[in-house]
Amino acid sequence: AQSVAQPEDQVNVAEGNPLTVKCTYSVSGNPYLFWYVQYPNRGLQFLLKYITGDNLVKGSYGFEAEFNKSQTSFHLKKPSALVSDSALYFCAVRDGSSNTGKLIFGQGTTLQVKP
Amino acid sequence: DAGITQSPRHKVTETGTPVTLRCHQTENHRYMYWYRQDPGHGLRLIHYSYGVKDTDKGEVSDGYSVSRSKTEDFLLTLESATSSQTSVYFCAISGARTDTQYFGPGTRLTVL
Repeated sequence: AQSVAQPEDQVNVAEGNPLTVKCTYSVSGNPYLFWYVQYPNRGLQFLLKYITGDNLVKGSYGFEAEFNKSQTSFHLKKPSALVSDSALYFCAVRDGSSNTGKLIFGQGTTLQVKP
Repeated sequence: DAGITQSPRHKVTETGTPVTLRCHQTENHRYMYWYRQDPGHGLRLIHYSYGVKDTDKGEVSDGYSVSRSKTEDFLLTLESATSSQTSVYFCAISGARTDTQYFGPGTRLTVL
């Protein structure tokens, strides 16, 4: 069965410092991995995805994520955090061999960036 | 949120009443999804559609039904609302099975 774990409910970081939001996954086939961000009272916004190819994926707003097959991880990173990055972040996985396209989401990690 | 609207955006209803939520897209995408968001659970798939009149169940489908009579509209119905269905409901769309899913603004439903 597919699953996603985001081990931290909240991550706190000072503005200007690097940030990491962790995600590990489990699928039976090849993983399709996604990161979304949710601002208060808004829908989810797509940040980036990994399907195949280069393990380092670059996305919107300066975010990037590294796919690590041996550790089954897909951590979200940013070199220098902004206060405006404060939001709820979701990691999601889809089994590449599935014919339904269904996404499985982690429980979310709240990122708090302090000035 | 561009290209996807949900209605109503907020609704308060009573236990036992039927409720229908609407998702409308202008992108002509084939796939449409309904998720619910609850604290500590992330988003969980309720039902999805892979074409007009083609739908299937997700992981939390009990108590919900869906219909898709047109490409642009995907309706979610709570046949007899219960307090456990109090949640925020999101619609998502994608052009193909492997494409990125894009989400609507959500509907906050409260069942008293």
